[in-house]
Amino acid sequence: KAGVTQTPRYLIKTRGQQVTLSCSPISGHRSVSWYQQTPGQGLQFLFEYFSETQRNKGNFPGRFSGRQFSNSRSEMNVSTLELGDSALYLCASRRLTGEVNTEAFFGQGTRLTVV
Amino acid sequence: GQQLNQSPQSMFIQEGEDVSMNCTSSSIFNTWLWYKQDPGEGPVLLIALYKAGELTSNGRLTAQFGITRKDSFLNISASIPSDVGIYFCAGLSAGGTSYGKLTFGQGTILTVHP
Repeated sequence: KAGVTQTPRYLIKTRGQQVTLSCSPISGHRSVSWYQQTPGQGLQFLFEYFSETQRNKGNFPGRFSGRQFSNSRSEMNVSTLELGDSALYLCASRRLTGEVNTEAFFGQGTRLTVV
Repeated sequence: GQQLNQSPQSMFIQEGEDVSMNCTSSSIFNTWLWYKQDPGEGPVLLIALYKAGELTSNGRLTAQFGITRKDSFLNISASIPSDVGIYFCAGLSAGGTSYGKLTFGQGTILTVHP
């Protein structure tokens, strides 16, 4: 069974640009969550999608948005990039069929560098 | 909001030593998860705990779900150099507006000297 796949692995963008990151969950998993990881702040929750609906949201500005498609694949978009958005962006998938508390499995992440 | 306090923040040990780290929370969790992250990679799930008091092992790793449901610990026995990495605890919440949200500890950086 394939794991969680994130693309691209590495990305360099300029301040003010926008970026879209993609996450394909494990087959059969319906929940996708996104996290930002920086050395100083650890793992910060961005949002979670389940059945194409946002279920939970962290404390990030509106420049960070996401969506989920009918095949459970998810995209995350960051507009008007700032230097501080440089981070490892991680996606995690969970099965969530009838039970809330199932394990989360992570992708390898997308390393975003804003210059 | 929910917070997880993970300690210690870092550990420097000799190969062969045992390691212990823990997480405490002000909130109750239904599930505790422990992850290991290698540099530049995503966290990998090590152990999942579902019941208060549960003690689970995975090779040299042992983790426990605290009776109060507000804490968990992870032990690594007879450490080896490949145990190096960052270890995270994570709790899945029991209810309220954060239902089903995964909250992470700050991580424990483990260094093992050969």
